[in-house]
Amino acid sequence: DAGVTQSPTHLIKTRGQQVTLRCSPKSGHDTVSWYQQALGQGPQFIFQYYEEEERQRGNFPDRFSGHQYPNYSSELNVNALLLGDSALYLCASSWTSDLTSTDTQYFGPGTRLTVL
Amino acid sequence: AQSVSQHNHHVILSEAASLELGCNYSYGGTVNLFWYVQYPGQHLQLLLKYFSGDPLVKGIKGFEAEFIKSKFSFNLRKPSVQWSDTAEYFCAVGGYNQGGKLIFGQGTELSVKP
Repeated sequence: DAGVTQSPTHLIKTRGQQVTLRCSPKSGHDTVSWYQQALGQGPQFIFQYYEEEERQRGNFPDRFSGHQYPNYSSELNVNALLLGDSALYLCASSWTSDLTSTDTQYFGPGTRLTVL
Repeated sequence: AQSVSQHNHHVILSEAASLELGCNYSYGGTVNLFWYVQYPGQHLQLLLKYFSGDPLVKGIKGFEAEFIKSKFSFNLRKPSVQWSDTAEYFCAVGGYNQGGKLIFGQGTELSVKP
């Protein structure tokens, strides 16, 4: 049973460019959440996708956008990259059993983005 | 706003010592609580979780955590650590009706000396 997979593993971009990160959820999961983890910090919630719609969003600018496909896989897009966007981007998947609570999230290995 | 505070940024222990890592959160409503671990070179893994019921929960590898609602705390414990427990530990909180968002603490780096 494959866990959460993410691609690419590493990425180097320059300021102003755009990037797309990809995530495939764990088998049986229908919900994907994205987090940004800066060095030495805990992950920060970017947004969550459920039923192909953004269910909840953290405190991130509109430059961060996402998409979820019918097969539950997801993309994170970041436009107009800034140096401060350099971080590890984590994808987590879960099965939404109750829209009022927070289900257990399982994390992928992450994509390390470096902005020069 | 919700927040999670982990009191210790770096803990150094010798093998067989007991471990307790503190975690406090601020959120007035019902919460789901989690501890995750990140071993060197590996991705975040779930150690244990609390949703409801017995406030003392047991996880993998001999870890346990106690939810004390009156103190807004969810401390992680292990009676006897091993060198292989060297890792970074994150406490996370998900509030009800918060859209599935997890709020993480800053993390505690645990180093166990053989």
